[in-house]
Amino acid sequence: AQSVTQPDIHITVSEGASLELRCNYSYGATPYLFWYVQSPGQGLQLLLKYFSGDTLVQGIKGFEAEFKRSQSSFNLRKPSVHWSDAAEYFCAVGAQYSSASKIIFGSGTRLSIRP
Amino acid sequence: KAGVTQTPRYLIKTRGQQVTLSCSPISGHRSVSWYQQTPGQGLQFLFEYFSETQRNKGNFPGRFSGRQFSNSRSEMNVSTLELGDSALYLCASSQDPQLANTGELFFGEGSRLTVL
Repeated sequence: AQSVTQPDIHITVSEGASLELRCNYSYGATPYLFWYVQSPGQGLQLLLKYFSGDTLVQGIKGFEAEFKRSQSSFNLRKPSVHWSDAAEYFCAVGAQYSSASKIIFGSGTRLSIRP
Repeated sequence: KAGVTQTPRYLIKTRGQQVTLSCSPISGHRSVSWYQQTPGQGLQFLFEYFSETQRNKGNFPGRFSGRQFSNSRSEMNVSTLELGDSALYLCASSQDPQLANTGELFFGEGSRLTVL
């Protein structure tokens, strides 16, 4: 079955510390992978996406993610977090030319920042 | 370019009532999708519209319905509200239903529905 797993429900890191949010997927076809961020009271905003090519992708707000096919993972990283990064982060997977109905979202990881 | 606009942002209803939520997509986007977001279930796909036609529907009861107008604006309706319908309802738009080159969905800020 196709699925996305974000093992960490809630993570707290200190401001200035590095961050890694985990995402594992199960998908039959070649996956298209996404990370979205949802700030409190807001909708989801795309951070970055991976379709093909270089497995290390850069996104907005200083985030990056690495696609590891052998591990079925697409972990999100940031070298130094800022208080404004406190939000919920969603990993998602779809296929080429898939419609919105075929995009599977993970359950999210809530990130808190310790001053 | 204006983003996806959802109205109302917040509303409170009682059980048995019905509610209509509105979504105006980004100009030029013809595909609109709706999601229900709850703490326990995460993001769940409700339905997707393109050119005034429902293309896909998620696993929700018939109390949940929607439509899309010729200007691509969309509405969703929930009849006979239940306590469990309390959620954040998100609308997302894209240029086309197959999300072609970008694969990106553009989300509105959502309508927070509380059912008492």
